[in-house]
Amino acid sequence: KQEVTQIPAALSVPEGENLVLNCSFTDSAIYNLQWFRQDPGKGLTSLLLIQSSQREQTSGRLNASLDKSSGRSTLYIAASQPGDSATYLCAVAQGGSEKLVFGKGTKLTVNP
Amino acid sequence: SAVISQKPSRDICQRGTSLTIQCQVDSQVTMMFWYRQQPGQSLTLIATANQGSEATYESGFVIDKFPISRPNLTFSTLTVSNMSPEDSSIYLCSARRGPGEPQHFGDGTRLSIL
Repeated sequence: KQEVTQIPAALSVPEGENLVLNCSFTDSAIYNLQWFRQDPGKGLTSLLLIQSSQREQTSGRLNASLDKSSGRSTLYIAASQPGDSATYLCAVAQGGSEKLVFGKGTKLTVNP
Repeated sequence: SAVISQKPSRDICQRGTSLTIQCQVDSQVTMMFWYRQQPGQSLTLIATANQGSEATYESGFVIDKFPISRPNLTFSTLTVSNMSPEDSSIYLCSARRGPGEPQHFGDGTRLSIL
């Protein structure tokens, strides 16, 4: 059974800092991996999708990497801003239906 | 990206009643899913909503408790039946246009049972 772990559970940084969020998964037979952010009281916003054949994806200040063989992904946020404060969720897609298995998330606070 | 609308956004219900949540996507999608997010927890998949056939439920979730309909490629409903306080959660709908595409989520339905 796939298990997804995210470390740290919470992170507080000053504005402008570069930071890395970690995600690990136990079964490397994934279809793809997706990073989301969830703002309080809101649904999930898709940030980046990495296919199993890819090593990384970039969008603006965000860069996600995938090392499928070791069961790890990282989300790098450059020059963090207070607006980046949210919970970041990692999810891996399994099987033909690509149903997602989620980690518990990292709650990020960026202090002005 | 697909835009997903969920209704209602929140509700407070009495024990023993049922509530139907609607999910509307702005374009045709191949896959639709229903998730539950209990307080302080991450998301757990309830079922995959299959167009024109019965939903596929995950372990621990049954059709009698969470009946799902998907009459076409843009719409699905989830009913939470015979509710108890343990059903107090956020229920989220998601959709994916096709294989290898990202999954997109609605804003969720915040359900409280008294």
